[in-house]
Amino acid sequence: AQKITQTQPGMFVQEKEAVTLDCTYDTSDQSYGLFWYKQPSSGEMIFLIYQGSYDEQNATEGRYSLNFQKARKSANLVISASQLGDSAMYFCAMREDYSGGGADGLTFGKGTHLIIQP
Amino acid sequence: DAMVIQNPRYQVTQFGKPVTLSCSQTLNHNVMYWYQQKSSQAPKLLFHYYDKDFNNEADTPDNFQSRRPNTSFCFLDIRSPGLGDAAMYLCATSSTLTEAFFGQGTRLTVV
Repeated sequence: AQKITQTQPGMFVQEKEAVTLDCTYDTSDQSYGLFWYKQPSSGEMIFLIYQGSYDEQNATEGRYSLNFQKARKSANLVISASQLGDSAMYFCAMREDYSGGGADGLTFGKGTHLIIQP
Repeated sequence: DAMVIQNPRYQVTQFGKPVTLSCSQTLNHNVMYWYQQKSSQAPKLLFHYYDKDFNNEADTPDNFQSRRPNTSFCFLDIRSPGLGDAAMYLCATSSTLTEAFFGQGTRLTVV
């Protein structure tokens, strides 16, 4: 079973509109972390936002916010006032069992290709 | 300034000819990761170092090896590249469990 599911392979959004990118996850751990990354065509993975499983408030970073619904196991990324430069691939990722220490790598979803139209 | 630097950005190698990709970091992070990302796919973890301790993913082919001579540098060695190894290779570092910083990646072509 997939641990990270992104159901939107591609999205077209008008510039200046808000956009929500969906992400659901599957884990039996109580402690885990959720990440969103942006990957432009150049290939670099750009960190956007992080949410810990014990964080009670939704994370926000500038125009990015994470809509964390723990019971539903969803961690949707919301981009407000989209810009042409937001066009890229967006990946949701999870690190499990982080409270136990260790250094496990991230498990990524398949990504959503977001295109912002003028 | 770039904190995780991968060299080269683009690498072309011949089928079967050993190739080494490098990653360096200025963050002094104790953990370094290597991911493989094939075209239109999600990144897949190959292995990571926690300090000097090497951790291999169960399904990483033996063809892939890694070295970490010091905190700052980590290398990915592909002993006999095949056409199926053509991909973007991403290096990442972290010191806490709430972060992971990536380099710009090395795009490997096998001819």
